[in-house]
Amino acid sequence: KAGVTQTPRYLIKTRGQQVTLSCSPISGHRSVSWYQQTPGQGLQFLFEYFSETQRNKGNFPGRFSGRQFSNSRSEMNVSTLELGDSALYLCASSLVDGAYNEQFFGPGTRLTVL
Amino acid sequence: DAKTTQPPSMDCAEGRAANLPCNHSTISGNEYVYWYRQIHSQGPQYIIHGLKNNETNEMASLIITEDRKSSTLILPHATLRDTAVYYCIVRLKIPNNAGNMLTFGGGTRLMVKP
Repeated sequence: KAGVTQTPRYLIKTRGQQVTLSCSPISGHRSVSWYQQTPGQGLQFLFEYFSETQRNKGNFPGRFSGRQFSNSRSEMNVSTLELGDSALYLCASSLVDGAYNEQFFGPGTRLTVL
Repeated sequence: DAKTTQPPSMDCAEGRAANLPCNHSTISGNEYVYWYRQIHSQGPQYIIHGLKNNETNEMASLIITEDRKSSTLILPHATLRDTAVYYCIVRLKIPNNAGNMLTFGGGTRLMVKP
């Protein structure tokens, strides 16, 4: 069974630009969550999508947004990039079937903002 | 989710057991203890979880005290590849309306030495 895949793996952008990151969950998983990891703040929850609906959102500004498609694939978008947005962005998927909700993480997208 | 406290770092000799402690004194009756680890530059990996009984799988053992206020993750024969940051997370097993988010603390940086 293929794991969670994220594209691209590495990205370099400049301040003010916008970026879109993609996540393909494990087949059959309907919940996709996004996390940001920085050396200073550690791993922080961004948002979760379940059945194409945002179910929960972390404490991030509105520049961070996301969506989920009918096939459970998810994208996150960051507009008007700032230097502080440089981070490893991780996507995790889970079954959420009421009995077992272990989260499986992808390898992440490393975003560098110059 | 209940907060957890872990030592920031630990060393372990290769081949010896690694015992990683976690305090979660405010855990509620329906919250589980989950352990994840993150090897450098990879996404976090699920290890094990438990409610009140000791649990064992192919990766590790989880010992939860009778009052459930603390737990210990045991890697019985640590190898160099077990060098990672280990996160102890306390949360509901079945997502509620708040969603499926994981709240990561600082974790314990385990260094396995030859």
